[in-house]
Amino acid sequence: EAAVTQSPRNKVAVTGGKVTLSCNQTNNHNNMYWYRQDTGHGLRLIHYSYGAGSTEKGDIPDGYKASRPSQENFSLILELATPSQTSVYFCASGDAGGAHAEQFFGPGTRLTVL
Amino acid sequence: QQQVRQSPQSLTVWEGETAILNCSYEDSTFNYFPWYQQFPGEGPALLISIRSVSDKKEDGRFTIFFNKREKKLSLHITDSQPGDSATYFCAASESNNRIFFGDGTQLVVKP
Repeated sequence: EAAVTQSPRNKVAVTGGKVTLSCNQTNNHNNMYWYRQDTGHGLRLIHYSYGAGSTEKGDIPDGYKASRPSQENFSLILELATPSQTSVYFCASGDAGGAHAEQFFGPGTRLTVL
Repeated sequence: QQQVRQSPQSLTVWEGETAILNCSYEDSTFNYFPWYQQFPGEGPALLISIRSVSDKKEDGRFTIFFNKREKKLSLHITDSQPGDSATYFCAASESNNRIFFGDGTQLVVKP
């Protein structure tokens, strides 16, 4: 079974602080994704990656950076956190090459920026 | 421009009824349409999917009806159960594995 884990599960940060959200997958999937979920907006793609060393901008990348140091790990970095970044963040992984590959989601990280 | 739209935003049905969740999309190049189910406090998980070459996909109580000409699809949940209460996301993609999600329909099934 696909396994995507996220840490921390909950985070409270201060405005202007740096926040790093981590994601690990044990499926050996090439593709990984970061989404944020807000009421009324569904899932919005922030950054994604096709493999170690690659990061791509999604639909709402402003204020976020991503890092993919290895096949298994994908981080989302908020250099200067703002209250508008308060949200639930989901990481997902998926198989490349499969045209209709399923995405497997982690349990989410609830971030509150005060 | 939002690529995938869902309606209604929320839906309440009684146990045993059929819930109908609607979805439409913009890009005619989309050829794969998964539906994801999300329970509170969890990440979404794939429920059922359909490819654009088909007009219907059935899996137990869950059925997708697809109308390519109108760029619309719907998810029917027959004999709805309280355990089906969740948020359902319609999504669309083409061949590059990038998935576009709708805003979701929150379903409540009352016993």
